[in-house]
Amino acid sequence: DAGVIQSPRHEVTEMGQEVTLRCKPISGHDYLFWYRQTMMRGLELLIYFNNNVPIDDSGMPEDRFSAKMPNASFSTLKIQPSEPRDSAVYFCASSGQGYSYTFGSGTRLTVV
Amino acid sequence: KNEVEQSPQNLTAQEGEFITINCSYSVGISALHWLQQHPGGGIVSLFMLSSGKKKHGRLIATINIQEKHSSLHITASHPRDSAVYICAVAADSGYALNFGKGTSLLVTP
Repeated sequence: DAGVIQSPRHEVTEMGQEVTLRCKPISGHDYLFWYRQTMMRGLELLIYFNNNVPIDDSGMPEDRFSAKMPNASFSTLKIQPSEPRDSAVYFCASSGQGYSYTFGSGTRLTVV
Repeated sequence: KNEVEQSPQNLTAQEGEFITINCSYSVGISALHWLQQHPGGGIVSLFMLSSGKKKHGRLIATINIQEKHSSLHITASHPRDSAVYICAVAADSGYALNFGKGTSLLVTP
């Protein structure tokens, strides 16, 4: 298995632009998580899905952030419009039976 | 107050030393994870624990559910063990992880 695949690895965008991050979970995993890592706040949950249904989005900072999971093999996290304070590393992770966790390599987002 | 507290925050050791990183949490949990992150790198899951003790190579993880405490031990430390080690818990109520701030470990030759 190729693991959890995220794209792009790096994204540099101008303030106000729309940013879309993508994630392909491990086949068979029924949980998908989006986490954000910053120096100030460490790792934080943004949202997670179970069987493609959003379960907890309380970590989504504001309406500028949205996430979708149209099928079991794909999820997106969109920021529109982006702001410099959104600069962070965004990790996608998936989990299956027994709580096993696999993280993607992350997307390093820089908003200038 | 963070629900997951790690100590120490930073740790420097000489190659070969025995290392212990501690994690305390305040909520009921279904599982505790130890994660490793190298500088600029991704996150790797080292252990998932719900009770007892697990061992993988030179790494040992223990958990005491009653005391809400876990430890990660590294025996015969090596410079390649230099990384940030993160403790994370999944609460009783769900699968999402709540993370500690991490312990930055530097092992010198």
